[in-house]
Amino acid sequence: KNEVEQSPQNLTAQEGEFITINCSYSVGISALHWLQQHPGGGIVSLFMLSSGKKKHGRLIATINIQEKHSSLHITASHPRDSAVYICAVPGGGADGLTFGKGTHLIIQP
Amino acid sequence: DADVTQTPRNRITKTGKRIMLECSQTKGHDRMYWYRQDPGLGLRLIYYSFDVKDINKGEISDGYSVSRQAQAKFSLSLESAIPNQTALYFCATQAGRSEQFFGPGTRLTVL
Repeated sequence: KNEVEQSPQNLTAQEGEFITINCSYSVGISALHWLQQHPGGGIVSLFMLSSGKKKHGRLIATINIQEKHSSLHITASHPRDSAVYICAVPGGGADGLTFGKGTHLIIQP
Repeated sequence: DADVTQTPRNRITKTGKRIMLECSQTKGHDRMYWYRQDPGLGLRLIYYSFDVKDINKGEISDGYSVSRQAQAKFSLSLESAIPNQTALYFCATQAGRSEQFFGPGTRLTVL
């Protein structure tokens, strides 16, 4: 079973700061997912990536397959970015996901 | 309208009761999943299904059963609910090996 570790568990930052959330996993994978869970509970897929880097607006995700590590970056952070960010990898059968415990991000104005 | 819906959104029940959580999707995806989320433990896979004739156990299937009534519908049942099944339950869909789309979640409390 793939073990997924995220750091930090909690992060509080000021508006405008550059944010980095890290994810490491134990077994080689075909792709890694970054998800966002808002305070209301809903989960949204942000990225699925298997190599290199992807960018969507102020969000950037990178992955290093050899090092089994991925990072999620947020540039020019804003209070609306406050959420739980979850890293997940296939490993639960039929690509059912194995999840990290999440990083709880708070951006203060 | 949402692509992945779950009913009910909230449910409070008593120990020993039978509960069914329902998931419907309009995305036409073949794969469907049930996860539960507990504080401090994250999300864990309960059951998954490739198609109507394919049902598979996930990491924590004990105490649960599922039914894939149609490609668009995947139900999760708790035959005899117990308090440690109190959690937030998510259904998700996937087309092949693509991103997964999550329903809004069902908050279940077992007293």
